Amino acid sequence: DSGVTQTPKHLITATGQRVTLRCSPRSGDLSVYWYQQSLDQGLQFLIQYYNGEERAKGNILERFSAQQFPDLHSELNLSSLELGDSALYFCASSVEGKYEQYFGPGTRLTVT
Amino acid sequence: AQSVTQLDSHVSVSEGTPVLLRCNYSSSYSPSLFWYVQHPNKGLQLLLKYTSAATLVKGINGFEAEFKKSETSFHLTKPSAHMSDAAEYFCVVKPNYGQNFVFGPGTRLSVLP
Repeated sequence: DSGVTQTPKHLITATGQRVTLRCSPRSGDLSVYWYQQSLDQGLQFLIQYYNGEERAKGNILERFSAQQFPDLHSELNLSSLELGDSALYFCASSVEGKYEQYFGPGTRLTVT
Repeated sequence: AQSVTQLDSHVSVSEGTPVLLRCNYSSSYSPSLFWYVQHPNKGLQLLLKYTSAATLVKGINGFEAEFKKSETSFHLTKPSAHMSDAAEYFCVVKPNYGQNFVFGPGTRLSVLP
């Protein structure tokens, strides 16, 4: 158990809908990262937040957004969902000054 | 741009035999390197990391990796495979000047009884 929690574990929704994925980092970790894992694209970095501020952006679509709250938990919002958005979404966290990231168990999103 | 190549998409070994999972990276600078393991329907677990200290790095569960700058490689080894090692393994590079992890495509390790 990495100490990073993600909810929900599974999510099934229809095209065009909007969903919110939630992540709680390890205690004391200020950075939160979001990743998408799909069969065709592999693991892709989406976005990083540090202590409430956006720090880095990767291959994140404009339909996707994220935020980090004062209690350091983070939410990833996916809107206007398409079939191709079906994937595993991982959250990871890290402590300041250390490069290694600790991953949550993931949320499996299925868009039908 | 940084990239990571994992030379084998699938490796199959017999239980008790050595494991070698190959990883090469491209980087203009000395990066930090990691190996993560993903068991089916689980998140990624950190196996080991290289951050410019000793070139031979020991990780959990008997795995180790050697950083070879001249070959831009960071191969993962284990002397004796166990059935519980069957999983997907990802080599990851983190450029020193950037924030983002770059993942390799993964190598699926099968362990035969």
